[in-house]
Amino acid sequence: ETGVTQTPRHLVMGMTNKKSLKCEQHLGHNAMYWYKQSAKKPLELMFVYSLEERVENNSVPSRFSPECPNSSHLFLHLHTLQPEDSALYLCASSQVRDTDTIYFGEGSWLTVV
Amino acid sequence: GENVEQHPSTLSVQEGDSAVIKCTYSDSASNYFPWYKQELGKGPQLIIDIRSNVGEKKDQRIAVTLNKTAKHFSLHITETQPEDSAVYFCAASKTQGNLIFGKGTKLSVKP
Repeated sequence: ETGVTQTPRHLVMGMTNKKSLKCEQHLGHNAMYWYKQSAKKPLELMFVYSLEERVENNSVPSRFSPECPNSSHLFLHLHTLQPEDSALYLCASSQVRDTDTIYFGEGSWLTVV
Repeated sequence: GENVEQHPSTLSVQEGDSAVIKCTYSDSASNYFPWYKQELGKGPQLIIDIRSNVGEKKDQRIAVTLNKTAKHFSLHITETQPEDSAVYFCAASKTQGNLIFGKGTKLSVKP
């Protein structure tokens, strides 16, 4: 257990569906992250929240919409995804935003059909 | 921006042998270098990290070395065991920066 819990662990959705990924951290951290991991690319940073404020959006398409209602919870809302969006989506947290140990969750495997 | 190159992409060793994975980074301002291990079906787990004010750090069978002049750092695993088989990622970041990952090395330890 890393202290970062992601649900669901597996998700299959159609291209017209709307779904959400949920992340909860039990570590008292102030920064939370969404990463995308696919077979062809290294871990790609998608979004960074520090003290519940979005501080980074790495040119992610608008069909991915993050939400951070408080410092312990992070969501990734998914809408009209493409098959190429199928990947492992990893949530992570750290005490502070930079040069600090990042703790990952187990990930949510997303398949878009 | 920062670019992290990792080699080799795959590595196969016999149980008991040593394994070395190397990474280079481009931004001389980077000052934090963690290594993560990812087992099948799980998220990456931190195994060791080093900051730019030290050149080497060791934790039992794993060690990391950092050469700031050459901008490269390496992971060393001694006396490898089958349970060391996983994908290993290096990463680099700087103050006010984000963690940038290498592409990973798939390590296979054969019994």
